[in-house]
Order: sequence, then structure tokens, then C-alpha cells
Amino acid sequence: GESVGLHLPTLSVQEGDNSIINCAYSNSASDYFIWYKQESGKGPQFIIDIRSNMDKRQGQRVTVLLNKTVKHLSLQIAATQPGDSAVYFCAENGSSYKLIFGSGTRLLVRP
Amino acid sequence: GAGVSQSPSNKVTEKGKDVELRCDPISGHTALYWYRQSLGQGLEFLIYFQGNSAPDKSGLPSDRFSAERTGGSVSTLTIQRTQQEDSAVYLCASSSQTGDNQPQHFGDGTRLSIL
Repeated sequence: GESVGLHLPTLSVQEGDNSIINCAYSNSASDYFIWYKQESGKGPQFIIDIRSNMDKRQGQRVTVLLNKTVKHLSLQIAATQPGDSAVYFCAENGSSYKLIFGSGTRLLVRP
Repeated sequence: GAGVSQSPSNKVTEKGKDVELRCDPISGHTALYWYRQSLGQGLEFLIYFQGNSAPDKSGLPSDRFSAERTGGSVSTLTIQRTQQEDSAVYLCASSSQTGDNQPQHFGDGTRLSIL
């Protein structure tokens, strides 16, 4: 993934609304994808994963969608809460064990 | 159960000194990874250990960086003759296996500042 340095893309949503965070991945050979949430001063926290034989996977309040045709991944968070405010990273495996991380999106939840 | 534990949580040292960072993975996890995260950026892969296999050191940025994993559990990342550009958060992750793509679980990292 490309780095955007300090100026992370930011998504601002109203508490209670749904959030959609998008990610374009780079390697067409990737067959495993993960979304992580990172709060300030903490390590990335696993949210949900999906393998390339699936288009959609649902967890608690979260859904991941995978479009292999256009190499696009999205994370949907239902009924966004203030505790969801964080930086979200997508990661792909590039057909190996090394995860390749995107540059991240900052989610801000307005009360 | 306990997650990945890293120590120290913060380290400030002078340029030219050596530092040693420690990672205690989740019990039973055979795969261990080190990453580096510079301010406001994504994670950069450094090194990977899997069981008794030779580690993949392809991400280490220079020969000043080295890592060991003793007894298949605890790992230490050593940076010799530190430089200011080494300042970053060093993150460790572990997973149960790699053959079937299992998620990596991260510790909270060591924030390294080189003066």
C-alpha cells in the first residue's frame, strides 16, 4: 500500500449512522484480507477477515465486502458509536504470510 | 487469555546506542512477526519466524537490525548503533499457523525515540 504520511483520509459520521470505509488492494494474487482497527497508542486490533472465495462476510455490527474484479475491499460498520473512532487499516496477504497494509483511514464519530 | 505482550512500552535512547525490544506471543502461536510503524503511516514488515524454520529477514532495513526467537516463544529485536530514522513504533504479532491464513494478533508495540 502507498503511504500518505500524516494526512490520513478521514471519514466523519454522525453517531448512529452507518460507516463505509473503502480500500483498494494492489496484488491480484492476494487471497486473504483483514481489517484492523487501531486506537491511539495501541496496536492494531483484528476486526474481521475474508478469503477470496467469498464476496461478503458479516460479524457483529461489521460487514466486509470483497470485489475481486476491481480489487476493492470495504468495511461497513452499522450504527456507528463513539468507541468506533479510530484508524482503520485493510491488509492483504499477497499470496504469502506477509501482510501488506494500506495507509489507513481515520474514522471520526460525531456525537 | 493473554494477548501479545511487548516491552518496554516506551524507550528513549541516544543516537549510537543499542536497544533490545522484547515480544511475548500468544501461548501456542507458532508464527511471530515484527513490523515497524512510522508516525501516521501503515505497517512495514521486518521479519517473520515460523516454528523451527529459518526466519524470513527480508524486511530488515539494514544489518544493524537483528532478531532472535528462543525456544519457539519469546522474541527479541535488536537495533545496533541506533539512528534517528529508527524512531518508530515497533509492533509484534503472532498467529496460530500460516498454512491456512490465520489472522495476526498484535501487541501494543514499543515506541522508540532516538535523540
